[in-house]
Amino acid sequence: KQEVTQIPAALSVPEGENLVLNCSFTDSAIYNLQWFRQDPGKGLTSLLLIQSSQREQTSGRLNASLDKSSGRSTLYIAASQPGDSATYLCAGLYSGGGADGLTFGKGTHLIIQP
Amino acid sequence: DTEVTQTPKHLVMGMTNKKSLKCEQHMGHRAMYWYKQKAKKPPELMFVYSYEKLSINESVPSRFSPECPNSSLLNLHLHALQPEDSALYLCASSQVVGSYYGYTFGSGTRLTVV
Repeated sequence: KQEVTQIPAALSVPEGENLVLNCSFTDSAIYNLQWFRQDPGKGLTSLLLIQSSQREQTSGRLNASLDKSSGRSTLYIAASQPGDSATYLCAGLYSGGGADGLTFGKGTHLIIQP
Repeated sequence: DTEVTQTPKHLVMGMTNKKSLKCEQHMGHRAMYWYKQKAKKPPELMFVYSYEKLSINESVPSRFSPECPNSSLLNLHLHALQPEDSALYLCASSQVVGSYYGYTFGSGTRLTVV
């Protein structure tokens, strides 16, 4: 059974810091990994999608990497802002995964202090 | 159009009521999903529709009844719910089940059962 683990579960940092969120997975036969942001009581907003043939993706201040051999993905946030405060979820797509193919981590709750 | 639209955003219903949640996408996606999310937990898969046919029902109680009238529209009919069914209900879509190109989620319906 595939498992996706996110560390840390919660993180609080001052505004302006660069930070890294971690996502690890147990099965290297991953098709892609998707990072989502979720604000309280809201839906999931897709941030970055890394396909298995890629090593990283960038969007603005966000950079996500995928290392299948080590079973890790990282989401790097540069120059953090209070508006980045949210829960960040990673989800891996596997052959033979859940019925929808996705396995979610439990998320990292991020607070950026002004 | 790159969105999944869910209505209503909020719903309060009594345990004897019948209500419906609606989800719409116009991206040409042929897979659509319903998820239930409780506070501080990742989304849990409820139903999967593939090419307008129900392909997966993750042992969801019969008081939840999904319907896919056409390739763009997904409904979730609710009847005789319990207070523990109060949660955020999310709809998502992808090109096909297990799409290499990722999943798009809606903004959710916050359901409260009284």
